[in-house]
Amino acid sequence: DVVLTQTPVAQPVTLGDQASISCRSSQSLVHSNGNTYLEWYLQKPGQSPQLLIYKVSNRFSGVPDRFIGSGSGSDFTLKISRVEPEDLGVYYCFQATHDPYTFGAGTKLELK
Amino acid sequence: EVQLVESGGGLVQPGRSLKLSCAASGFTFSNYYMAWVRQAPTKGLEWVASITNSGGSTYYRDSVKGRFTISRDNAKSTLYLQMDSLRSEDTATYYCTVRSYWGQGVMVTVSS
Repeated sequence: DVVLTQTPVAQPVTLGDQASISCRSSQSLVHSNGNTYLEWYLQKPGQSPQLLIYKVSNRFSGVPDRFIGSGSGSDFTLKISRVEPEDLGVYYCFQATHDPYTFGAGTKLELK
Repeated sequence: EVQLVESGGGLVQPGRSLKLSCAASGFTFSNYYMAWVRQAPTKGLEWVASITNSGGSTYYRDSVKGRFTISRDNAKSTLYLQMDSLRSEDTATYYCTVRSYWGQGVMVTVSS
């Protein structure tokens, strides 16, 4: 199975700061069709996960442009510029290139 | 408005069965690949099973293969998860998802 390694496990931030989360895959996430199915989700406390980014860098409907996904192959990053209170929670990367699909272990974005 | 509403969870003894349902509305259900994702208490997200839009193909994580069955009724816009031979490690909140949208989750507790 594809293993997604997220770092850091926790990211203490001050509101207004930039935050960066890394997601590294145990193998390339480039599908045979040429697409890379790497997604980012945010799970706020007590809520269901919500999709932020799909296919590495595409923001889902309604997601603010302070969320920026980047990367290729097996190395991906989510950057959040100017962290706001509603951005706090656990971020998960997820791959849907290889069956079985897998999630990273999560990165908790929390206040310093 | 897209809605995914899970039902059917509860407390069940090890070795017994439970069937989860997910009623979908607000989108053309029959066009979408659907999945169940679970989250054990205080843990991360885990892909459980998925099914193509026609229901012709299904995928399962290894730990549930042979015990869980995912199915769908496109006429009723409903997704199902039949869970047999339940184990304590299946205890979790189960989410119905089309990845861009998630249900609120339903709790399954396996305990004697």
